[in-house]
Amino acid sequence: EVQLVESGGGLVQPGGSLRLSCAASGFTFSTYSMNWVRQAPGKGLEWVSYISSTSTIYYADSVKGRFTISRDNVNKSLFLQMNGLRAEDTAVYYCARDGSLDFWGQGTLVTVSS
Amino acid sequence: DIVMTQSPDSLAVSLGERATINCKSSQSVFYRSKNQNYLTWYQQKPGQPPKLLIYWASTRESGVPDRFSGSGSGTDFTLTISSLQAEDVAVYYCHQYYSTPYTFGQGTKLEIK
Repeated sequence: EVQLVESGGGLVQPGGSLRLSCAASGFTFSTYSMNWVRQAPGKGLEWVSYISSTSTIYYADSVKGRFTISRDNVNKSLFLQMNGLRAEDTAVYYCARDGSLDFWGQGTLVTVSS
Repeated sequence: DIVMTQSPDSLAVSLGERATINCKSSQSVFYRSKNQNYLTWYQQKPGQPPKLLIYWASTRESGVPDRFSGSGSGTDFTLTISSLQAEDVAVYYCHQYYSTPYTFGQGTKLEIK
């Protein structure tokens, strides 16, 4: 069974940093591209970042230069390093498999507030 | 960027009746070399992550009831629920993964009339 479990969310002050993790199981992690998608409270879905199986990386303009996606294929984990956080980054952050986003984790809430 | 526009924003349908949600992309999401539309549909219920319903615009994900169907190609797509059930109350999103930045429609809230 495919499972994705996010962790690392929490309350952070504007300008602060957080590192999100996504632990994958139930599939051959190294062969899949992975994504981070976020959802602000009461709002729609926003794609954040993509990393291919060979570590080609893309970002949304809204996070470029502030967020860094990475992966550890040995430990089947996906990461999102978030620096320079802003109030508008407040959202539930989901990791999702493949460009088709066929499987999603339950999400981790990031709240940016003073 | 490819803009995805769904219509309507909200929809109320009687139980057992048909529900139709439209999604239009600002440019084609048909990947010619793969002969597929890179368009997916998701269902999201409150407090849950989105669930994949349809991929390649018209292929139903395993385990999804056959009352859900997708159609369309190029820039115009439709999600149809042939006979609405109470458990179908949710927000539905279309999504293109033809090119980055990947983008979503704004969502369509489906309710029971």
